[in-house]
Amino acid sequence: NAGVTQTPKFQVLKTGQSMTLQCAQDMNHNSMYWYRQDPGMGLRLIYYSASEGTTDKGEVPNGYNVSRLNKREFSLRLESAAPSQTSVYFCASSERRGKTNEQFFGPGTRLTVL
Amino acid sequence: DAKTTQPNSMESNEEEPVHLPCNHSTISGTDYIHWYRQLPSQGPEYVIHGLTSNVNNRMASLAIAEDRKSSTLILHRATLRDAAVYYCILSRFQGAQKLVFGQGTRLTINP
Repeated sequence: NAGVTQTPKFQVLKTGQSMTLQCAQDMNHNSMYWYRQDPGMGLRLIYYSASEGTTDKGEVPNGYNVSRLNKREFSLRLESAAPSQTSVYFCASSERRGKTNEQFFGPGTRLTVL
Repeated sequence: DAKTTQPNSMESNEEEPVHLPCNHSTISGTDYIHWYRQLPSQGPEYVIHGLTSNVNNRMASLAIAEDRKSSTLILHRATLRDAAVYYCILSRFQGAQKLVFGQGTRLTINP
């Protein structure tokens, strides 16, 4: 199993450009998440999808859109990138076991917006 | 969301036990205590979680205070590979498992 994969690994954008970050998981998990991590900080939740066909806002959703394409894939789109969106982006997935579960994280996409 | 408080950094020696503390005085009855760690340049990795009772797994042990207002992650025999940022997170399942990461404790292991 590859677990959670993310593409691309690195990306440099100019202000105002758009791009889509891709995430896929092969663990048949129902829930998927997008986080961002700024230098020296903890992760912050952008959007999540509790199950296929549903998406919800997290802590910092402004400037982003998401699509749960199918059970495996969850993409994050920046329509008009801004320097404040320079960050490392992590995708994660999880499956409920009992009343809680563990999240599995991808390796991250390092995005720089100039 | 209930908050957690952790020391910014800790240091230990290889092959010695490490006790990482976490305070969570506003924890509610349905909050689980999760620990994740993040090795340099990697995504976070699940370590352990618990509700009321102490928990053990192959990576670590979690000791939870009787009043649940604090917990301690125990690495029984630290290795250089355990050098990471450790996050203590309170979370309850609400359709999905939303995690709120603080700044964590940066653990340094000396050879």
